[in-house]
Amino acid sequence: DIQMTQSPSSLSASVGDRVTITCRASQSISSYLNWYQQKPGKAPKLLIYAASSLQSGVPSRFSGSGSGTDFTLTISSLQPEDFATYYCQQSYSTPGFFTFGPGTKVDIK
Amino acid sequence: EVQLVESGGGLVQPGGSLRLSCAASGFTFSSYWMSWVRQAPGKGLEWVANIKQDGSEKYYVDSVKGRFTISRDNAKNSLYLQMNSLRAEDTAVYYCARDHPYSSGWLYKYYFDYWGQGTLVTVSS
Repeated sequence: DIQMTQSPSSLSASVGDRVTITCRASQSISSYLNWYQQKPGKAPKLLIYAASSLQSGVPSRFSGSGSGTDFTLTISSLQPEDFATYYCQQSYSTPGFFTFGPGTKVDIK
Repeated sequence: EVQLVESGGGLVQPGGSLRLSCAASGFTFSSYWMSWVRQAPGKGLEWVANIKQDGSEKYYVDSVKGRFTISRDNAKNSLYLQMNSLRAEDTAVYYCARDHPYSSGWLYKYYFDYWGQGTLVTVSS
């Protein structure tokens, strides 16, 4: 089974900061990596798919990169609405067997 | 507008059963794989199961194999999760989600592009 890890588990940042979250897979998953944002009490929202493709309607300050086992999600200039928890998800094993990372909580410094 | 609406959650005793439903609208339900994803209180996301368009393929996370059954009724635009032998660790918000395919060479891979609002399942005596 493919395991996913994320770092850091949480971070504090200020509006306008550049934020980078890292996701690592236990084996190569090519570029089959998705990123989601979740706010408290809400369903997750897709941000990035295929490691670097921006989902329609998602602001361009979000970007993704990486391939193989190491991936990053970058928020170029943090906005108040970006304080949330971010999850990576591998889709290498799909159509079945998706695996999420443990999440990274971004809160206000 | 795509909508996914879950129902059927509630309080159940350990060892009991519950059936979750997800009503889909705004898209051709029979054209998509569909998934269930859960989130225990204060914890992260866990994919639970998914099912092919015609119901001929189903996949489950190891922790629910043999206890949960995913199914669908394309005539009713509905997805189901039958949960038996429930345990305290099954306590979670359960979301249904649409598996959206994208082409990667000759392969199709997937992401979840629409989610329901979730339904809470509490397993406790």
